[in-house]
Amino acid sequence: GAGVSQSPRYKVAKRGQDVALRCDPISGHVSLFWYQQALGQGPEFLTYFQNEAQLDKSGLPSDRFFAERPEGSVSTLKIQRTQQEDSAVYLCASSLVWDPGNTIYFGEGSWLTVV
Amino acid sequence: DQQVKQNSPSLSVQEGRISILNCDYTNSMFDYFLWYKKYPAEGPTFLISISSIKDKNEDGRFTVFLNKSAKHLSLHIVPSQPGDSAVYFCAASDNNNDMRFGAGTRLTVKP
Repeated sequence: GAGVSQSPRYKVAKRGQDVALRCDPISGHVSLFWYQQALGQGPEFLTYFQNEAQLDKSGLPSDRFFAERPEGSVSTLKIQRTQQEDSAVYLCASSLVWDPGNTIYFGEGSWLTVV
Repeated sequence: DQQVKQNSPSLSVQEGRISILNCDYTNSMFDYFLWYKKYPAEGPTFLISISSIKDKNEDGRFTVFLNKSAKHLSLHIVPSQPGDSAVYFCAASDNNNDMRFGAGTRLTVKP
């Protein structure tokens, strides 16, 4: 597709439920990022992939959060045993190759509400 | 720790006037700065950037100014248009794998 595609766009989960959020980056983009954006805040870095390798996962808030990109294209962010504080917009972004001068392109986000 | 700060949550200007959005940062290792624009229910889109070796970058109606000694940058939009109404995020990178974002400033341009 032309841009970064994320699904589902909206997800309501009961506390304790596992969720999986999908990201289709722009075709050919090597770098892929996940960000978490709480209401009224800016995006917070979660994790970064270069192809299939997860090079940085320092932003993942707990071991309930897990991300993968097994074939270096589509990525999945999984949240186990969701808690109310996990409610946020989860943004995926991709770029051709990461360096600060390269633009990264964001998807529309997956809006997660944990009830 | 909030390394990038946008202290004005909102800004309202009249169409045709200048909009000035401000951003402060604390990490002196940041060497690249970006502005993103976000419409409701959409992801942020890249607007303009500046590296630390410059103090100004201009792209049409948008100009970003960087004052390294003050650890401050600003985005100027002139003339402002109603279509510029959006949330603007300032972001900074230190060549690691992430960018730090500010909390955003909601700009409203009144016709």
